[in-house]
Amino acid sequence: GAVVSQHPSWVICKSGTSVKIECRSLDFQATTMFWYRQFPKQSLMLMATSNEGSKATYEQGVEKDKFLINHASLTLSTLTVTSAHPEDSSFYICSVRGVRGPISGDTQYFGPGTRLTVL
Amino acid sequence: GQQVMQIPQYQHVQEGEDFTTYCNSSTTLSNIQWYKQRPGGHPVFLIQLVKSGEVKKQKRLTFQFGEAKKNSSLHITATQTTDVGTYFCAGSPATDSWGKLQFGAGTQVVVTP
Repeated sequence: GAVVSQHPSWVICKSGTSVKIECRSLDFQATTMFWYRQFPKQSLMLMATSNEGSKATYEQGVEKDKFLINHASLTLSTLTVTSAHPEDSSFYICSVRGVRGPISGDTQYFGPGTRLTVL
Repeated sequence: GQQVMQIPQYQHVQEGEDFTTYCNSSTTLSNIQWYKQRPGGHPVFLIQLVKSGEVKKQKRLTFQFGEAKKNSSLHITATQTTDVGTYFCAGSPATDSWGKLQFGAGTQVVVTP
């Protein structure tokens, strides 16, 4: 399967600061990347779909001005949590899907996740 | 919107016993995927089912996709301590062209030796 990395693996920040999380596809071109958030003992909630070279599509209830997503290349997507607050503390996970175009049925490969703690 | 329901939420199993976790979608799916997440880890892909009525096996794990492509199940036989973790089903709506996944709540499996 594909190798996906995330950086940092964990981060602690003060309330009001911004945090950038990187998601990299190491061995194939990720035309589509997904960002999820997972609270303790809960399921993964899709935040946004990121397509290379275009604006991200956010799920209902996710503030696009707070969670900035940039998919600058076929191997890198970043999620910036702006003006973070304690309620933003969560496990953020990206996944990648490497097939161009609207083809369903392909698996997603998940990164190891980034644990964000906002004090 | 589409919802994927998964039951049970918790499953305590004696080592050696079998168990099944079920997944139901309110809408037709193009495919369903199963993932396993160990405590502290990230979801790891197990399998994808695409065809109506499809059944796939991986050693002690049997995955089924319903005829209507709205439900799925994962059956594990002779549970081992290595099966501990949370199993998620994730469905891709038939109407979605980018492969977005809707995750079920997960079944947390605890195995008693």
